[in-house]
Amino acid sequence: DQQVKQNSPSLSVQEGRISILNCDYTNSMFDYFLWYKKYPAEGPTFLISISSIKDKNEDGRFTVFLNKSAKHLSLHIVPSQPGDSAVYFCAASPLTARQLTFGSGTQLTVLP
Amino acid sequence: DAGVIQSPRHEVTEMGQEVTLRCKPISGHDYLFWYRQTMMRGLELLIYFNNNVPIDDSGMPEDRFSAKMPNASFSTLKIQPSEPRDSAVYFCASSSMQGYTDTQYFGPGTRLTVL
Repeated sequence: DQQVKQNSPSLSVQEGRISILNCDYTNSMFDYFLWYKKYPAEGPTFLISISSIKDKNEDGRFTVFLNKSAKHLSLHIVPSQPGDSAVYFCAASPLTARQLTFGSGTQLTVLP
Repeated sequence: DAGVIQSPRHEVTEMGQEVTLRCKPISGHDYLFWYRQTMMRGLELLIYFNNNVPIDDSGMPEDRFSAKMPNASFSTLKIQPSEPRDSAVYFCASSSMQGYTDTQYFGPGTRLTVL
């Protein structure tokens, strides 16, 4: 049972345009959400997070949006850069627990 | 800060052999996590520790897997005996509770191949 789903295994975007990566979850106990970026042969790197008391969190070019009623979150990257090409993982946990449940990842390719 | 350190980075072994993966968490972090990444199952949590004590090992696939954390700066994940289906990338991560939430920081991983 996949509690965190990333339905798009891959996404290609032109440099300078917006990248939108999507994530859906089923567990209503989740109230803390994170995005990680992963380059080949490296571990996942934390990118940005959001708790359920917010619906938006920004950090530079990265913005995460949370729609609790739809159990959906998205990561927006504006403007996209070739260095953003990586696999992006969505993760979630209840605030009271330490365990992260990860999605299957989306490979983002930013074309120059 | 050196980040989370894992060794070895690559391990190739034969079926039936014992494999030991090692992890040094970020200094000051009191949570340590072991994950496994495979094509079929993605990134899954195996076990995690708090202050060197195992808290949840429900993700450990079989009794062939064991993990220890003898002190705050070292943890091992052991597979004995190893099987080809154990081939995967194993990640260690550490974190420190800040407020109500924390962020886990991952090591570079150990790529295990069991022939």
